[in-house]
Amino acid sequence: GENVEQHPSTLSVQEGDSAVIKCTYSDSASNYFPWYKQELGKGPQLIIDIRSNVGEKKDQRIAVTLNKTAKHFSLHITETQPEDSAVYFCAASRGYSSASKIIFGSGTRLSIRP
Amino acid sequence: NAGVTQTPKFQVLKTGQSMTLQCAQDMNHNSMYWYRQDPGMGLRLIYYSASEGTTDKGEVPNGYNVSRLNKREFSLRLESAAPSQTSVYFCASPRGTENTGELFFGEGSRLTVL
Repeated sequence: GENVEQHPSTLSVQEGDSAVIKCTYSDSASNYFPWYKQELGKGPQLIIDIRSNVGEKKDQRIAVTLNKTAKHFSLHITETQPEDSAVYFCAASRGYSSASKIIFGSGTRLSIRP
Repeated sequence: NAGVTQTPKFQVLKTGQSMTLQCAQDMNHNSMYWYRQDPGMGLRLIYYSASEGTTDKGEVPNGYNVSRLNKREFSLRLESAAPSQTSVYFCASPRGTENTGELFFGEGSRLTVL
């Protein structure tokens, strides 16, 4: 089955700098790669996703890149702000239908230093 | 519009006791998921249900049973709780009838097994 590895497990960056979180996946049939943000005491929330037919997607300060050949994808946050401090999860699945089994990485705790 | 509702939010059990975690969604989607979250291990899929009447094992199904009672409700049962099942449990479901891939999570159920 699918296995998703995520690095680093913790990341501390200066406010205003960029943060990068990387994930690799094992199932070459996976074609949907979402990223979730989890704030303290809450459930995870989707922040951005990418499908295998594109190599990059941007949404304001957040971008995700995908390399299907190497089976890895990354989250990039630019101009980091204090509210970016949270735990981030990557995930992978074969499609996004009702029957999709969505497998998550182990998470990255991002801290933004003032 | 509550989205995904889990009960209870907190529970303490003794080893060997049984309990059921309840989850209900009002987003009219076919699929529902149960995950557990442990420090350093991210979100691991326990069971999922693609539609009413069907359930499938995820990454860590041992020690759990599930019931998809109807389209709205998906319960997770621990027949004989063990300390290794101490965790935060999340129920999730996509929204609506369109398969966008986005999962909506409940607020979590924190379970401690002594």
